[in-house]
This record gives sequence, C-alpha cells and structure tokens, in this order.
Amino acid sequence: GAGVSQTPSNKVTEKGKYVELRCDPISGHTALYWYRQSLGQGPEFLIYFQGTGAADDSGLPNDRFFAVRPEGSVSTLKIQRTERGDSAVYLCASSLFPSGASYEQYFGPGTRLTVT
Amino acid sequence: AQKVTQAQTEISVVEKEDVTLDCVYETRDTTYYLFWYKQPPSGELVFLIRRNSFDEQNEISGRYSWNFQKSTSSFNFTITASQVVDSAVYFCALDSNYQLIWGAGTKLIIKP
Repeated sequence: GAGVSQTPSNKVTEKGKYVELRCDPISGHTALYWYRQSLGQGPEFLIYFQGTGAADDSGLPNDRFFAVRPEGSVSTLKIQRTERGDSAVYLCASSLFPSGASYEQYFGPGTRLTVT
Repeated sequence: AQKVTQAQTEISVVEKEDVTLDCVYETRDTTYYLFWYKQPPSGELVFLIRRNSFDEQNEISGRYSWNFQKSTSSFNFTITASQVVDSAVYFCALDSNYQLIWGAGTKLIIKP
C-alpha cells in the first residue's frame, strides 16, 4: 500500500518568508508526527497529533512554527518568518496508534527546507 | 531525563564481516519501547525493530539480531555477514510519552 508522502520534496525560500510543508499519512493511521533532522543528527521531535488534535506540541521551537490536521488525515506544518536556522529536513511519520501502545512509526521521505 | 547514546559515530568494515552497533539508553519509565531504524543514502527512515521493556529475549531476523540487556540499559544491533547494501546510518530510539527520543546515529560503511 501507499506509504507516507510529503510535499514538496525540496523547498528553497528566502529568510523572512512563510512556508507550508504537507504530509499525507498512511490511510487509517490515527497518529501523526513531525520531526526535524539536521545534517549528521538524529530526528528531533516537533509535534504529535492524535486524530485532529495536537496531543503534544512541546517540541515546536517557538511560535513561528504551527501545525494543523483539520480532518484527522493530512497535516500541514507552517513556518512563519523563516530563519536560516530553520534549514533542515522535515520528516513526517504516522502510526496506527501512539507508539507507546507498541505501534511503530512509518516515515515519509522528508522535505528538505533551505532558507537563504 | 530520557536519553539515547550511540557512541560509535562511524564504523567501517569489509563485506562479510560481522558488525555490532551499540545503543545505551536512560529512562525513569518502567514501561518503555526501544526501536532501531535504518536511514540509507536515499534518506527515508526504515523501521527495523521494536522491543518493549518487558521482553528481554534476543531477536533474530535473517542476518540481523538484537541483544536487549535491561541490566545495562543497552539494546545492541548486530549484522552478520555484512553486505554493501547494509551501508546506511542506523538510529536507536526510545519511546517516551509518544515521542521518539533518538540517538545521534551510527554511520555504517560496508566496503566491497
């Protein structure tokens, strides 16, 4: 079946601009996660959705970052007033249930964001 | 504090050698889950294994095996008879309140 998809695969934007990154999870997966991965590092948790609501947004670095999942499926990560330090690969993952209930997370290919 | 340490930044071996990737974790939770993921050069993270804290049996899947030692808070991963296609970055992760806490990864290079 189809895996997690993310669009765009690459995004180059100028400092100060607004960007939206999209994630389409595996059909039927209720939990959706956003991570950020910088070069040479492991992923860093940003936010987790259970259904439509953000169950944990403690990883969002500041109020320039916001994510939504209005219908409990597709999610959009929104970054306002981008800064060069936001450059990273943004990863989306989904699971049947939160992984604390022993379901593994399946990852998309990521969106590489470059802020110039 | 929850933490995952992968002390080996990079390992390079010749094809057909066995190789072990180390993972040490810290957690105060009594119930937790540990994971290994593979990230090949293409970039997409691939799930390899999940282990819960109550199951200390070692697991083998083909050329892959995992050794979970709760007494030393370790969850090591061994590849037997390595192949060039095993070249990737391997991450160990700990599930904590539905977040995954990741190690820094070990880059594995398998030379032909």
